[in-house]
Amino acid sequence: SAVISQKPSRDICQRGTSLTIQCQVDSQVTMMFWYRQQPGQSLTLIATANQGSEATYESGFVIDKFPISRPNLTFSTLTVSNMSPEDSSIYLCSVEKGPGGAFFGQGTRLTVV
Amino acid sequence: SQQGEEDPQALSIQEGENATMNCSYKTSINNLQWYRQNSGRGLVHLILIRSNEREKHSGRLRVTLDTSKKSSSLLITASRAADTASYFCATAVIQGAQKLVFGQGTRLTINP
Repeated sequence: SAVISQKPSRDICQRGTSLTIQCQVDSQVTMMFWYRQQPGQSLTLIATANQGSEATYESGFVIDKFPISRPNLTFSTLTVSNMSPEDSSIYLCSVEKGPGGAFFGQGTRLTVV
Repeated sequence: SQQGEEDPQALSIQEGENATMNCSYKTSINNLQWYRQNSGRGLVHLILIRSNEREKHSGRLRVTLDTSKKSSSLLITASRAADTASYFCATAVIQGAQKLVFGQGTRLTINP
């Protein structure tokens, strides 16, 4: 299993500013995943973060908007840059530990005003 | 695009009844997983069924997988108020690394 600490749990931000979300795992993992969940919607994968290499972004997501850091095997950050109200979502980090499925952080509920 | 489509989008039943949710997907998969999400918080993994399995049980949960129809179902028996949540299926596909593609989810409400 894996315990993931994600913070902040929620924030209200002004448009045009940036927010960095942190994700700490209690054990070493190769890959960490960042998802976005827009209001009332399902989860969409933003990017996959490997330690020591550039993150791999999914279609529709770019590094300038969602820069990701992965300095070691237990930690990652996602920054939501130059925010607009359309960025209001829940952002979740996730890891996989073996074949039993993924573990998720509690999410960051972001509201942009 | 989202691979998984779920129905119903919302389901409301009485406590003690069984709840069935369905998931369809489009491409070949390695496995299919079901998750629960309470009130927009983190997701909790419920059960995983591999592509060569047809049925799996875990407590009050029963999952079936029909790869010929590219569909799965999640049955929750003897529902409880605490089962009220959103349920998502997620298909694991291999594209370099294994990635999860989530369905749209079913919002389940258990009425006392």
